[in-house]
Amino acid sequence: GAGVSQSPSNKVTEKGKDVELRCDPISGHTALYWYRQSLGQGLEFLIYFQGNSAPDKSGLPSDRFSAERTGGSVSTLTIQRTQQEDSAVYLCASSAWTSGEETQYFGPGTRLLVL
Amino acid sequence: AQKVTQAQTEISVVEKEDVTLDCVYETRDTTYYLFWYKQPPSGELVFLIRRNSFDEQNEISGRYSWNFQKSTSSFNFTITASQVVDSAVYFCALSDPTGNQFYFGTGTSLTVIP
Repeated sequence: GAGVSQSPSNKVTEKGKDVELRCDPISGHTALYWYRQSLGQGLEFLIYFQGNSAPDKSGLPSDRFSAERTGGSVSTLTIQRTQQEDSAVYLCASSAWTSGEETQYFGPGTRLLVL
Repeated sequence: AQKVTQAQTEISVVEKEDVTLDCVYETRDTTYYLFWYKQPPSGELVFLIRRNSFDEQNEISGRYSWNFQKSTSSFNFTITASQVVDSAVYFCALSDPTGNQFYFGTGTSLTVIP
């Protein structure tokens, strides 16, 4: 498809397990964002990639979270030793620049439930 | 501190009325970006606009318009002649110039009654 895709769409895991969330941006988009949305915390920014580089990881909630992007395309967000407070919808967006203006395109999200 | 405030939690309007969603921000940066997003009941976020802090011109896109005023640190969003399809949660956001720091408001839930 032409849009941003995320997998899995839903994930149920047990507390303490590791999970890996995947984002496939729109082809050619160099910028990629991860956010999460939970009932308790609203919308939160996690990390931003320009190409393969994410110079600022301070938005990640804890050191259990890591993200990488290879080949300037697919990105994975990994959560180690999941906790119940990690339950949220994890959103990915990629962006394009046209005439100096950025437009972001969001994926459908991955709904993570930690039991 | 960097912060975005959307004081209106919920708004209801009757179809065809105009409605303005308020957004007030705080930032230490002299250069920054402001955003509006729409999240319809389906849940998928939709990007509406990004505005550079150096550009205070008002923006109009169809029935949507945005009023950016640095003097009051506000970036308000107006929907003219609202329609039922405008029913959604709308989020305002602020980012630093690098895109590495991003702050969302708590959202305003808009219901347009037919």
